[in-house]
Amino acid sequence: DAGVIQSPRHEVTEMGQEVTLRCKPISGHNSLFWYRQTMMRGLELLIYFNNNVPIDDSGMPEDRFSAKMPNASFSTLKIQPSEPRDSAVYFCASSLVKGALKMAGELFFGEGSRLTVL
Amino acid sequence: DQQVKQNSPSLSVQEGRISILNCDYTNSMFDYFLWYKKYPAEGPTFLISISSIKDKNEDGRFTVFLNKSAKHLSLHIVPSQPGDSAVYFCAALLGRLYFGRGTQLTVWP
Repeated sequence: DAGVIQSPRHEVTEMGQEVTLRCKPISGHNSLFWYRQTMMRGLELLIYFNNNVPIDDSGMPEDRFSAKMPNASFSTLKIQPSEPRDSAVYFCASSLVKGALKMAGELFFGEGSRLTVL
Repeated sequence: DQQVKQNSPSLSVQEGRISILNCDYTNSMFDYFLWYKKYPAEGPTFLISISSIKDKNEDGRFTVFLNKSAKHLSLHIVPSQPGDSAVYFCAALLGRLYFGRGTQLTVWP
């Protein structure tokens, strides 16, 4: 079974450039999460979707960040313009949430996209 | 504001001994707790969990203990093996998962 698939695995870009990270969740999962990992803050939830609808985007740092989920099998996280402080590993995770938005505990993570902004 | 805290960034243990990883939380409404393990260049993977109505859950070499009055949980690994060397994240559930910053465990031969 394919797990959560993220691309690219590594991205090096210059400040001011647009960055797009992609995620394919596990088939059948109805919830998708974007996390950012840094040394200072650990794993931070940026945004999560349930049935393709954004539910909680309170973790999105600022307007430079945007996320979309046009269908159940694809999501993007875009940073425009990128800044050096955005350098981090970005993880996508998916889960099967049952009931009225009651989140299941177990998340399945992708391998992450390591972003370096120079 | 960290609602889930792992105050030890690293832990070093000899193979065969017990590893104890600690986690504190601030919100008494959390109803489920999980531990994730992360190897370099990989995503975190689920390890073990415990419901707030229990105080212990065991799975092979891994045991999680929950002390609700102290708002504290711990992960025990017995015996520790070199393959256990990884970053361990504690997480708590209340509508969404709140993660700690992780503890790097190193098990040396």
